Amino acid sequence: GNSVTQMEGPVTLSEEAFLTINCTYTATGYPSLFWYVQYPGEGLQLLLKATKADDKGSNKGFEATYRKETTSFHLEKGSVQVSDSAVYFCAHLNDYKLSFGAGTTVTVRA
Amino acid sequence: ETGVTQSPTHLIKTRGQQVTLRCSSQSGHNTVSWYQQALGQGPQFIFQYYREEENGRGNFPPRFSGLQFPNYSSELNVNALELDDSALYLCASSLPTGPSYEQYFGPGTRLKFT
Repeated sequence: GNSVTQMEGPVTLSEEAFLTINCTYTATGYPSLFWYVQYPGEGLQLLLKATKADDKGSNKGFEATYRKETTSFHLEKGSVQVSDSAVYFCAHLNDYKLSFGAGTTVTVRA
Repeated sequence: ETGVTQSPTHLIKTRGQQVTLRCSSQSGHNTVSWYQQALGQGPQFIFQYYREEENGRGNFPPRFSGLQFPNYSSELNVNALELDDSALYLCASSLPTGPSYEQYFGPGTRLKFT
């Protein structure tokens, strides 16, 4: 079936540290892949996306590369800020519906 | 451009009651999807509406039903509420063209029980 597995949290980092959140998926075909971010008390915001193998999505210093051979879409940021504290969700699109991972809570300390 | 809006923001119900949640899609978007996000979990797909017809449904019982109106706004109705229905209900609108098919989410409606 279709599913998304992402790194369990919580993750606590110091400001300017490097962040990686692992995400792997199972799906039929080659789905579009997404990272969404959810700030406390809010809905989901699209952070970045990739629609085919080897595509790199990027936004606000975050990057993720669509790796077909490893069915992965790991999220990275080279230098995090306190404002990056949020819950991050990996998702794939299949048959017009999004399937999400369980979310990874990231806390960045000053 | 107006984003996705949802109402109400919060609801408190008792077991067995019925609830209606509302969603206005982003301007120009003709597709609305509904998701349930239980505390500490990722959103789960409930169903999707495209041009006023249901266009796919997740693993939710029939007491979860919906509507889409000619202006593409949508309602989610839940009958015979159960305690497990306590969650954040998210609406997302989209324009189903192209491979990325981005979905834009509203702020959600939080359903709690007394």
